[in-house]
Amino acid sequence: DGGITQSPKYLFRKEGQNVTLSCEQNLNHDAMYWYRQDPGQGLRLIYYSQIVNDFQKGDIAEGYSVSREKKESFPLTVTSAQKNPTAFYLCASSAGDRVNEQYFGPGTRLTVT
Amino acid sequence: GQNIDQPTEMTATEGAIVQINCTYQTSGFNGLFWYQQHAGEAPTFLSYNVLDGLEEKGRFSSFLSRSKGYSYLLLKELQMKDSASYLCAVRGPGGYQKVTFGTGTKLQVIP
Repeated sequence: DGGITQSPKYLFRKEGQNVTLSCEQNLNHDAMYWYRQDPGQGLRLIYYSQIVNDFQKGDIAEGYSVSREKKESFPLTVTSAQKNPTAFYLCASSAGDRVNEQYFGPGTRLTVT
Repeated sequence: GQNIDQPTEMTATEGAIVQINCTYQTSGFNGLFWYQQHAGEAPTFLSYNVLDGLEEKGRFSSFLSRSKGYSYLLLKELQMKDSASYLCAVRGPGGYQKVTFGTGTKLQVIP
């Protein structure tokens, strides 16, 4: 079955620690995205990548970093510089066709205390 | 920039019809999406409109008026499983065609 996987589903970290969230897709999509979702707010774009070895900052990139070494993988690192890291993180991918709808992974709920 | 407005919450009765509205202001437009998101889960794609008019897909329909900056999602024959948040998202112009999401409308279906 094709799809997007994110792991783990729940993650707990202490303040001051960096943490990396995994995102893998086997849909053969070129584009991949990271969003965070907070209560009462829409999805906000952190980073996106349209092709391997290239990525761009979204609206709220500060305190985050990404890499895109393989087409299938787009890991997100939440650094200690991110002021409010506790959130629901969603990874998505899209094919780049006319509609270009995004397919989302199940999400990772990160709690930093 | 882009600004998207949706009602925060709605309640409707099982078997009924509900219309969820979305208005947007954008510096450029290249399509509007509706996604469904159950609590704690990932959004799933429902519909896409780029031209004016109604797109029907089973129990769900989506309408777009570009001149009015307005869209609605129509859900017919409501079922309990339709209780979810419905996200309106607008795609902008340019090479990347960034998608901006609204805050979502939480729909509760009651017996």
